[in-house]
Amino acid sequence: AQSVTQLGSHVSVSEGALVLLRCNYSSSVPPYLFWYVQYPNQGLQLLLKYTTGATLVKGINGFEAEFKKSETSFHLTKPSAHMSDAAEYFCAVSDQGSSNTGKLIFGQGTTLQVKP
Amino acid sequence: DTGVSQDPRHKITKRGQNVTFRCDPISEHNRLYWYRQTLGQGPEFLTYFQNEAQLEKSRLLSDRFSAERPKGSFSTLEIQRTEQGDSAMYLCASSLVQGVTEAFFGQGTRLTVV
Repeated sequence: AQSVTQLGSHVSVSEGALVLLRCNYSSSVPPYLFWYVQYPNQGLQLLLKYTTGATLVKGINGFEAEFKKSETSFHLTKPSAHMSDAAEYFCAVSDQGSSNTGKLIFGQGTTLQVKP
Repeated sequence: DTGVSQDPRHKITKRGQNVTFRCDPISEHNRLYWYRQTLGQGPEFLTYFQNEAQLEKSRLLSDRFSAERPKGSFSTLEIQRTEQGDSAMYLCASSLVQGVTEAFFGQGTRLTVV
């Protein structure tokens, strides 16, 4: 079975500081990994995804994530936080590599607070 | 196409009443998913359709829940005899079958059972 663990339910950074949101996964097959962002009372928007190939993936709004198989991690980073980055972030793993239903298993989420 | 659309955005209902939500996916997407998200948690998979066929249901989907996708277009999720524990955000997503494509989410329907 696949699972996702997001370390830290709340992360607070100052505007302009590095953002690091941690995600570890468990999967018996090569994982497909995603980061989504959710603003209050909104749906989820895809930030970036890893399927195969280059392990450093770049997404929208200056975010990037690195797939590290040896550490079973897929941490999300951004060099310089903006006030507009304040939101809930979800890491997810998909079973598209195995049974191919495409369903997503999400972590519990990390709330990012950006202080002026 | 403006993306995945869900209706209503908010629903308040009394315990014991039935409710129905609608999801209109992106038109060319043949897969449609329903997820439930409670406060402070990540979304949890409920069920999915490929075209009009419902291919998987989570054990979270009790017999009070039913979902349909007639003609492989829009989908409805009905909850019968609502309970306070059904209060949550219900999210719909759609995607293509071919290749590794991301799921596109609607804005969700927030259900409050009083």
